[in-house]
Amino acid sequence: GENVEQHPSTLSVQEGDSAVIKCTYSDSASNYFPWYKQELGKRPQLIIDIRSNVGEKKDQRIAVTLNKTAKHFSLHITETQPEDSAVYFCAASSRNTGKLIFGQGTTLQVKP
Amino acid sequence: KAGVTQTPRYLIKTRGQQVTLSCSPISGHRSVSWYQQTPGQGLQFLFEYFSETQRNKGNFPGRFSGRQFSNSRSEMNVSTLELGDSALYLCASSFTAGDGYEQYFGPGTRLTVT
Repeated sequence: GENVEQHPSTLSVQEGDSAVIKCTYSDSASNYFPWYKQELGKRPQLIIDIRSNVGEKKDQRIAVTLNKTAKHFSLHITETQPEDSAVYFCAASSRNTGKLIFGQGTTLQVKP
Repeated sequence: KAGVTQTPRYLIKTRGQQVTLSCSPISGHRSVSWYQQTPGQGLQFLFEYFSETQRNKGNFPGRFSGRQFSNSRSEMNVSTLELGDSALYLCASSFTAGDGYEQYFGPGTRLTVT
């Protein structure tokens, strides 16, 4: 069935360091991969996404890479700041559906 | 544009009761998806509606149902509530149905079943 595995479950970094979160998906038909950031008590917010015809996408300090052959994609945050502390979720959706399959989430803590 | 709104924000119900949650999508968005968020199971897909039709359904029992109105507003209903239904219920809207369209979440409805 459809499954998305996300690692690590928790990540602690010093302010200014980089953070990397990795996800693997099972459904080879998946072709859309969004990342969401959820702060405590708030809704998930879309921070970046990538489609299967692209290998990498950047938005300021955030980047996402996709390896379709290996069926994995990663979120990279550079120059982390305390306000980056949150739970991050990766997700994948399959062709012709709006159904998002989420990873289990990564709790990122950025220490000042 | 106003964001996705959900009502009510909090609900307390007892086992066996039923509950209806409402979601108003971003203006112009025609697709609404529902998700259940719990600490143990994470974010799980319930169903997706587009043009008043259910397009996709997750692996939840038939006690969970939904509908969408002509103005794209959506409701979900849970009948015969169980303790395990306690969760944050999130809806997300997107411009249209299908893959590759960004989904934006509402603030959620926190349901507690006692």
